[in-house]
Amino acid sequence: AAGVIQSPRHLIKEKRETATLKCYPIPRHDTVYWYQQGPGQDPQFLISFYEKMQSDKGSIPDRFSAQQFSDYHSELNMSSLELGDSALYFCASSFGQGNTEAFFGQGTRLTVV
Amino acid sequence: AQSVTQPDIHITVSEGASLELRCNYSYGATPYLFWYVQSPGQGLQLLLKYFSGDTLVQGIKGFEAEFKRSQSSFNLRKPSVHWSDAAEYFCAVGAQGSSNTGKLIFGQGTTLQVKP
Repeated sequence: AAGVIQSPRHLIKEKRETATLKCYPIPRHDTVYWYQQGPGQDPQFLISFYEKMQSDKGSIPDRFSAQQFSDYHSELNMSSLELGDSALYFCASSFGQGNTEAFFGQGTRLTVV
Repeated sequence: AQSVTQPDIHITVSEGASLELRCNYSYGATPYLFWYVQSPGQGLQLLLKYFSGDTLVQGIKGFEAEFKRSQSSFNLRKPSVHWSDAAEYFCAVGAQGSSNTGKLIFGQGTTLQVKP
């Protein structure tokens, strides 16, 4: 069965650079969530989209932005990268909101040097 | 504010022994509750979830969890642990009601080590 696809799987960037992470949800899923997991930390909710509109916002820095496109894929744009942005970034998708089961991707490991 | 506490950061059990991972939550309304497992460098796999109904829920890989409202707990159990169960386990809570956007609040995680 198709799963949530995240690209790239690994990314190395220098401080102050920009990074774009992509998420392709499971077909027919209309809701996408982004989470950030720092080393040894639990996943922290960043932002979510339902039907291409932002549905919730968590602890996402102002340097980050995200959107969901007409084909339901989502992109997380991160600018002015800092060393502390190094983390595993997960995307999850679900059909509808309301805690129907969210399926997680394998994550993108971002390393800022 | 919503929160999830996993009191045990690290647990070591012998293969074949029983396992219980603790999870306590703080939430103003009836929560949705989840347990996820994460192998090193991997994504999060859902083990089981509680939405309503029977407070004892069965999951994949032989895991089960019991929702106890009076104790605000959702402990994960397995009667006999296998070496392949070694991983990081996360308890998570989601909101019910009209404000439910599906976002999850995760606990700090419990690292399970299995001794041969």
